[in-house]
Formats: sequence, structure tokens, C-alpha cells
Amino acid sequence: DIEMTQSPDSLAVSLGERATINCKSSQNLLNSSNKKNYLAWYQQKPGQPLKLIFSWASTRESGVPDRFSGSGSGTDFTLTISSLQAEDVAVYFCQQYYNSPLFGGGTKVEIK
Amino acid sequence: QVQLVQSGSELKKPGASVKISCKASGYTFTSYAMNWVRQAPGQGPEWMGWIDTDTGNPTYAQGFRGRFVFSLDTSVNTAYLHISSLKTEDTAVYFCARNYDTSAYALFDPWGQGTLVTVSS
Repeated sequence: DIEMTQSPDSLAVSLGERATINCKSSQNLLNSSNKKNYLAWYQQKPGQPLKLIFSWASTRESGVPDRFSGSGSGTDFTLTISSLQAEDVAVYFCQQYYNSPLFGGGTKVEIK
Repeated sequence: QVQLVQSGSELKKPGASVKISCKASGYTFTSYAMNWVRQAPGQGPEWMGWIDTDTGNPTYAQGFRGRFVFSLDTSVNTAYLHISSLKTEDTAVYFCARNYDTSAYALFDPWGQGTLVTVSS
């Protein structure tokens, strides 16, 4: 079974500073046929359901601010918030959909 | 707008059963698969499986076969999750989540607001 490991578990970043979240898969999520990485990112604000913010590792969903970026390929992926805003406080989850969907354990982003 | 509205919180005793509803609006219900996701306290989400809203055929993830049943009432655009023989470890928030698009890819959006099920004697 694929395992999804996120790091760190939590991080506190000053407003306007960069936040970086890592997600590591135990198996390759890059499909050699279509050259796509089957990796998504979700944002969960306090008391709210998850919201899809990236698909295919780096495709930003409509309405997601461009300070958010997704990168990586294969087994190592990164979600970056270039300039943290107060409204970005949330838990962020990665999810692989290469086979049976599996989420990472989450990374809690707070304001320092 | 596309919306999923779930039923309210439940407090149940071990051994009881619970049925959670997820009412969809703003789109053609039978065009998108519906998924169920469990989130235990302080844990990451766990995909429970999905139901084909066109055929009613459910698929259960490992660990969710036997006590968990997905069903539909397409006349009211509603999906249901029934959990029987509840255990304390079933305490969690249960989400319905629609497939993002009509492809087979397991991307989930939108999500219902979640239903807290607490199992306690």
C-alpha cells in the first residue's frame, strides 16, 4: 500500500513570510503514459470541510490565490505559500489518487 | 451553486446504528460519483469508498466492508451512509464529497459540512 507522509506536522510563519509543506509518497505517483502526477492538495480551515486547491501536483484550482503553488514529481511534492496571509491559517492535506485514494496526515499552518 | 448539505450530529451508544444523509443541489446528481470520507479526531481524512450515483453500485475501501452501507435516493438527490454495530472507534466526522468532475479520477470537491458521530456509552 502507498503511504503518504507529510512534514512538518505544524509550522508557524510570520505574516508575509513563506510557508513550505512537504508530502512524500512511498510509491511513484507519476504516470509514465500521460506524464501526470496523481497528487492533490486540500485546505481545511477550522470548522470547515476540505477544499481542493491543487490537482495534478501543480494545477491550481479556480479561485485559489497565486501565492499558493504546488510542485514536485514522482514521490516528493511541495505546497508553498509565498506570502502567508491570515486567511491561510488551516490544515493542509496531500492526497494521492494514483490508486485507492489516500491522504497524508496533514500540516497545520499558524501565524507566528 | 453546487452544495452538499449533511444531516446533523449524532450521539449513539455502542452497538447502535446511524444513518447520515447528504443532500446535493446545484448540479445533476446522477452525473457525479459520491464519496464518503471519515476524519477521526486529530487525524487525517480516510477515504471510505464511493457510490456510483447513476447505477447505485457502491465500492467500499478496505476497512469499511461489512458495517458500512452506501445508498441513494435519486428522487431527492440524496446519498446516505449507514453504519451498524457502532463502536467507540467509529467516533469521527463523516463527510460526503463529490467527485470533482465526471472523470474517474478520485479528486473530491465540493465536500459536505461534515457530520459528527459520537459513540459513547
